[in-house]
Amino acid sequence: GAVVSQHPSRVICKSGTSVKIECRSLDFQATTMFWYRQFPKQSLMLMATSNEGSKATYEQGVEKDKFLINHASLTLSTLTVTSAHPEDSSFYICSASSTGLSNYGYTFGSGTRLTVV
Amino acid sequence: GEDVEQSLFLSVREGDSSVINCTYTDSSSTYLYWYKQEPGAGLQLLTYIFSNMDMKQDQRLTVLLNKKDKHLSLRIADTQTGDSAIYFCAESPRDSARQLTFGSGTQLTVLP
Repeated sequence: GAVVSQHPSRVICKSGTSVKIECRSLDFQATTMFWYRQFPKQSLMLMATSNEGSKATYEQGVEKDKFLINHASLTLSTLTVTSAHPEDSSFYICSASSTGLSNYGYTFGSGTRLTVV
Repeated sequence: GEDVEQSLFLSVREGDSSVINCTYTDSSSTYLYWYKQEPGAGLQLLTYIFSNMDMKQDQRLTVLLNKKDKHLSLRIADTQTGDSAIYFCAESPRDSARQLTFGSGTQLTVLP
């Protein structure tokens, strides 16, 4: 079935540094990629939606200069957390969408636990 | 906007059936999904149902949809300790280029 590989699964970084999270669709072309953030014991909060080759559309309240999203190909999207601070510590999950998938649209990565110290 | 609601917690004894409920507001919802999330992991699709269906069964899982009341339920038969997780219902319109709308998640705890 459709698989989205998300890396790294865990990352600890120092405050002020940048962290890149990658999501790759392994056996299908992801026309749309969604990036979510999840706080402990809470639901997923959509951060942004990106279509291959286009600029990402950010949800209200999400800083586009802080959370840089690149969707340069149909199989790769990246989220870069720039100048990370402890309040950016969270669980980040990507989801790839493509019409024709057997699950009718959405496949999730395994998530990245970011801890900023 | 769209809204999806779930109860936050459910505890059952091993071997019993679990029923997790969900309500949604978007009448244009075309697909409704149930996802399972184990601690520290991403979301695993359990099952989905089209809005023109009333029921779907897949092994131990039964999904019931009452479109009139905008109510969705997931029944897990013979619940096992490995079923302990957070379960999210989600809805989407026909266009999968739009994001899913998730419920808050139901923490299912299976007691031995």
